[in-house]
Amino acid sequence: AQTVTQSQPEMSVQEAETVTLSCTYDTSENNYYLFWYKQPPSRQMILVIRQEAYKQQNATENRFSVNFQKAAKSFSLKISDSQLGDTAMYFCAFMKSGKGGSEKLVFGKGTKLTVNP
Amino acid sequence: DAGITQSPRHKVTETGTPVTLRCHQTENHRYMYWYRQDPGHGLRLIHYSYGVKDTDKGEVSDGYSVSRSKTEDFLLTLESATSSQTSVYFCAISEFGFEQYFGPGTRLTVT
Repeated sequence: AQTVTQSQPEMSVQEAETVTLSCTYDTSENNYYLFWYKQPPSRQMILVIRQEAYKQQNATENRFSVNFQKAAKSFSLKISDSQLGDTAMYFCAFMKSGKGGSEKLVFGKGTKLTVNP
Repeated sequence: DAGITQSPRHKVTETGTPVTLRCHQTENHRYMYWYRQDPGHGLRLIHYSYGVKDTDKGEVSDGYSVSRSKTEDFLLTLESATSSQTSVYFCAISEFGFEQYFGPGTRLTVT
């Protein structure tokens, strides 16, 4: 079974600074997807970024980028120029490739990020 | 934002009563999912659907049933609610079965 570990329960960063959230996963699969979701105090789960395991290039979305190390099974999220609106819980999630829709997302327990003014 | 709504958004019910939560989408996506979120457990899959009338169990399906009679609606039913089912419930949709978009959530309290 796949597991996802987020080793930092809480982190804080100053506004405009850069912060990196860690995520490791355990799988014997070769083809899979990795995601970062953001959950602000509104409770809405928002997809931040996606990485396909077969792609060597790290995904980026504006101020958000990942460092995907397949051999190390590591998938960290870097937030540049942190903004107050980035304050949220961040969840790392794993899904193996397979029959479309039948594969479940496996979530880590989350990292609570606070951006301080 | 993906067009997903959940109803009700909040509900308080008593142990032993039946409860139905509704997820409605306007995206015409094939796949729909129900998750529960609990402190210390992250999100866990309850049931999912890969088409009208096609559903399957997730990892925490005991005590829950689902139905999908139309593409746009996915219902989650607690036949006889228990206090252990107090949780926040999220619906998610996916067009191709991997990137999932979540609804706003329903907070359910069973007293």
